[in-house]
Amino acid sequence: ILNVEQSPQSLHVQEGDSTNFTCSFPSSNFYALHWYRWETAKSPEALFVMTLNGDEKKKGRISATLNTKEGYSYLYIKGSQPEDSATYLCALGNTGGFKTIFGAGTRLFVKA
Amino acid sequence: DADVTQTPRNRITKTGKRIMLECSQTKGHDRMYWYRQDPGLGLRLIYYSFDVKDINKGEISDGYSVSRQAQAKFSLSLESAIPNQTALYFCATSDPRQTTGELFFGEGSRLTVL
Repeated sequence: ILNVEQSPQSLHVQEGDSTNFTCSFPSSNFYALHWYRWETAKSPEALFVMTLNGDEKKKGRISATLNTKEGYSYLYIKGSQPEDSATYLCALGNTGGFKTIFGAGTRLFVKA
Repeated sequence: DADVTQTPRNRITKTGKRIMLECSQTKGHDRMYWYRQDPGLGLRLIYYSFDVKDINKGEISDGYSVSRQAQAKFSLSLESAIPNQTALYFCATSDPRQTTGELFFGEGSRLTVL
């Protein structure tokens, strides 16, 4: 059974701090790794999808890296802002994407 | 307007009642999904559908049923709700032409079963 682990479960930072969190997954049968951002009472929205070992993706102050050989991905937020407060979900996708396995998420709180 | 719309957004019901959660989408995607979210757990797949004539059980289908009325509509039913079905339910879609499987979610339906 595939298991996607995210750490930490929650994180409290001050505005302006840079932070990062981890997603761990079995390295066998890897196909795609997704990061989603989920604000309370809103739809989870895709941030990044990565498929190749060594992939790095960036969107503004948020970036992600992927290591498929050792089974982990990091999400980095540079200079956190209160609007970054959300739950960040990591998900492992299979071929075709119809059996995506989600981690429990990292809940980020950014204090002004 | 949201591309994936869920109704109702919030519902409180009693044990034994029949409940239907509805999902409609304007993205034109063939694939639709129902997920359940519980605190401390990842999203878990209940059912998924690749087109109107296709229904597949997911990881936790017991106690649920679905209906794919049209390409744009996918409803989830709880025939006899029980308290441990209290959860946040998400509908999602994906485009099969996009092989990485990115999901597009609705805003969720929070169900409380007393």
